[in-house]
Amino acid sequence: GQQLNQSPQSMFIQEGEDVSMNCTSSSIFNTWLWYKQDPGEGPVLLIALYKAGELTSNGRLTAQFGITRKDSFLNISASIPSDVGIYFCAGQLGYGNKLVFGAGTILRVKS
Amino acid sequence: NAGVTQTPKFRVLKTGQSMTLLCAQDMNHEYMYWYRQDPGMGLRLIHYSVGEGTTAKGEVPDGYNVSRLKKQNFLLGLESAAPSQTSVYFCASSYPQGVGNTEAFFGQGTRLTVV
Repeated sequence: GQQLNQSPQSMFIQEGEDVSMNCTSSSIFNTWLWYKQDPGEGPVLLIALYKAGELTSNGRLTAQFGITRKDSFLNISASIPSDVGIYFCAGQLGYGNKLVFGAGTILRVKS
Repeated sequence: NAGVTQTPKFRVLKTGQSMTLLCAQDMNHEYMYWYRQDPGMGLRLIHYSVGEGTTAKGEVPDGYNVSRLKKQNFLLGLESAAPSQTSVYFCASSYPQGVGNTEAFFGQGTRLTVV
């Protein structure tokens, strides 16, 4: 089964609120990725993290690669209606290893 | 630049029929993946390939076969479709870690219904 635990499973928040979601693993990953999937589309990469402790921003999105290399979080500041969708974390163990995905966080925003 | 292209986009099969899903990427990526997505289950890896001529099983390989005869193409086959294979299928490709970026790029998906 999947090795990543992603939480929360879903969120329903007010427009303008900040959002936080995270992924944890029993294994150490060398890469953490965060994706967003809009309805009817494939996942699109938001942020890629390659070093333990790395903190990276992309507009209103901020993600961090945990020091233990077993977790990562994604924050969205000042949410807007177009932030709705499914957010996936993904980790890669190392060279030659496949990507492993979390089950996703469904984000719904009230305008 | 087309990225990752999946065909077909939609398909309805009868139980027992066979079909092949085609994935093509034009980014010269070494790695290619096939995932299925079901409600509440996230993305589950079916099979993947780390290079031309090589394939490996993922989490849920039963009932599927794959081939990677050319670097740019990764085929997913269903020999005898079952209703449990009703799902949305995504193909993805990436460079291997240690060779530039490792992010996987996804196709737009194939929605398959088996009746």
